[in-house]
Amino acid sequence: DAGVIQSPRHEVTEMGQEVTLRCKPISGHDYLFWYRQTMMRGLELLIYFNNNVPIDDSGMPEDRFSAKMPNASFSTLKIQPSEPRDSAVYFCASSTDTGHKKLFFGSGTQLSVL
Amino acid sequence: KQEVTQIPAALSVPEGENLVLNCSFTDSAIYNLQWFRQDPGKGLTSLLLIQSSQREQTSGRLNASLDKSSGRSTLYIAASQPGDSATYLCAVPVVDQGGKLIFGQGTELSVKP
Repeated sequence: DAGVIQSPRHEVTEMGQEVTLRCKPISGHDYLFWYRQTMMRGLELLIYFNNNVPIDDSGMPEDRFSAKMPNASFSTLKIQPSEPRDSAVYFCASSTDTGHKKLFFGSGTQLSVL
Repeated sequence: KQEVTQIPAALSVPEGENLVLNCSFTDSAIYNLQWFRQDPGKGLTSLLLIQSSQREQTSGRLNASLDKSSGRSTLYIAASQPGDSATYLCAVPVVDQGGKLIFGQGTELSVKP
């Protein structure tokens, strides 16, 4: 299996622009997670899905952030409009269970908002 | 509120040395703990998942222990190699919020040849 695939690997954009991050989970994994990593706050869970349905979005910082999972093999995280404080590494991860099984991470998207 | 702490933040050792990384958590009501490795510019790789009913979990040169009552876990690395250089993070799931893992800030390990 190719693992969790994220795109793009790097994104540089200007403040106010829309940013879309993409993720393909491991086939057969019915849980998908979006995390954000910064030096100040470490790793934070933004949102997670089970069987394509959002279960907990309490970590989404504000209305500028939205996430979708239209099918079992694809998810997007959108930021509109983007701000410099959104600069971080965004990780997608998938698993066969919530906290009970190993979590598999993608390589992340390094986002820089200028 | 669960908090996870890892000390030290950074560690440098010579090749061949055995070492221990520490992880502590404030709420002992956990059902497992995971240790991850993160290489620079890469995602996290799950190394070991130790269930609350287990005391230890081993994989190759890695051994993780868990003491729920004291809120501590250790990751023991035997005969360290330069390839072990990475950041190691521990994480626990929040009870009743099954999908949410709380991560420590990590220990950055450097193994010198």
